[in-house]
Amino acid sequence: ELKVEQNPLFLSMQEGKNYTIYCNYSTTSDRLYWYRQDPGKSLESLFVLLSNGAVKQEGRLMASLDTKARLSTLHITAAVHDLSATYFCAAYSSQGAQKLVFGQGTRLTINP
Amino acid sequence: KAGVTQTPRYLIKTRGQQVTLSCSPISGHRSVSWYQQTPGQGLQFLFEYFSETQRNKGNFPGRFSGRQFSNSRSEMNVSTLELGDSALYLCASSARDRGINEQFFGPGTRLTVL
Repeated sequence: ELKVEQNPLFLSMQEGKNYTIYCNYSTTSDRLYWYRQDPGKSLESLFVLLSNGAVKQEGRLMASLDTKARLSTLHITAAVHDLSATYFCAAYSSQGAQKLVFGQGTRLTINP
Repeated sequence: KAGVTQTPRYLIKTRGQQVTLSCSPISGHRSVSWYQQTPGQGLQFLFEYFSETQRNKGNFPGRFSGRQFSNSRSEMNVSTLELGDSALYLCASSARDRGINEQFFGPGTRLTVL
């Protein structure tokens, strides 16, 4: 059964700093998704990564996928307060019920 | 292009009652998935409907059921509500493009069971 683990679960950082959120998954998956959730809100799609070595960037966020290591990363460059949110990664499970399996989420707080 | 809509946004029910939640997908999307989000269990997959057929199902008891209509709108029903059913219920629609299957989430229905 596919399991997805994120770390860290909580991250407090200062504006202007760089950091990385890690997403490990337990079995083969060929699709990896990153979502953002603001308090009390729904999930906003950030990136869809479909192949080994895929890298996507949007503003200060960059996501990558290494299917051999079963690892995806979300890198934040020169963080700003507006990026404070909870970030989820999700891997697509094609074994059994085809579904997204989500990590626990990383609550990111960026302080001025 | 309108996004995914869910109604109602908030619900308060008591134990033993039943509830129906509604989801309208993005126009042209034929796949609707439902998820339950709780602080303890996180985001968990309930089921997926595609072209009025349940295609996939998560590990939830039979009290949780759903259906999809010919216009792709979907409803989720929970019978005999328990306190533990209090959660944010999210639906997501997808075009089910080959190899992508990007899911777009609605605002959610927050269900409180007293």
